[in-house]
Amino acid sequence: DAGVIQSPRHEVTEMGQEVTLRCKPISGHDYLFWYRQTMMRGLELLIYFNNNVPIDDSGMPEDRFSAKMPNASFSTLKIQPSEPRDSAVYFCASSLGWNTEAFFGQGTRLTVV
Amino acid sequence: DAKTTQPPSMDCAEGRAANLPCNHSTISGNEYVYWYRQIHSQGPQYIIHGLKNNETNEMASLIITEDRKSSTLILPHATLRDTAVYYCIAPSNYQLIWGAGTKLIIKP
Repeated sequence: DAGVIQSPRHEVTEMGQEVTLRCKPISGHDYLFWYRQTMMRGLELLIYFNNNVPIDDSGMPEDRFSAKMPNASFSTLKIQPSEPRDSAVYFCASSLGWNTEAFFGQGTRLTVV
Repeated sequence: DAKTTQPPSMDCAEGRAANLPCNHSTISGNEYVYWYRQIHSQGPQYIIHGLKNNETNEMASLIITEDRKSSTLILPHATLRDTAVYYCIAPSNYQLIWGAGTKLIIKP
């Protein structure tokens, strides 16, 4: 398996635009996690899915953020409209179970200008 | 939720053992302790985890105190490539809280 695959690796967009980040988890993993990392706040869990169902989205900062997992091999994190404070590195991770090791993607570096 | 505390930074000489401490005094009996590391600009990488017993794998050893209030990650022969931020976390109640970690710098 190629591991967790995220796209794009880098995204630069203007304030107010819609941004969609994509993630392909490792095949067979039942859990998928979206994280955001900034210098100020560190690594924050935004939302996680179990068997494609969103379980806890309490980390999603506000209604501008939404995440979907239409099938076991694909998930998206959407920001609409984007703001400069959304600039961060967004990581996707997957795992077999809740309490098992998580495998992280390489991340998407988002810059909103 | 089990919260972990770690020193913000540590240095270690290349070839020596790096010992990274973590305090998790509020951990409950069924909560595992996980260690990950993050090399600059990459995604976090799993290292090792444990519940009660000491654990060892090809990357590191994990020593957990008998009362489970603290643990130590040991990199037996640190190399320059081990320079990274090391995170100790204790997932509980389906909460995953990552602290600031320890920035480990391996010096030649």
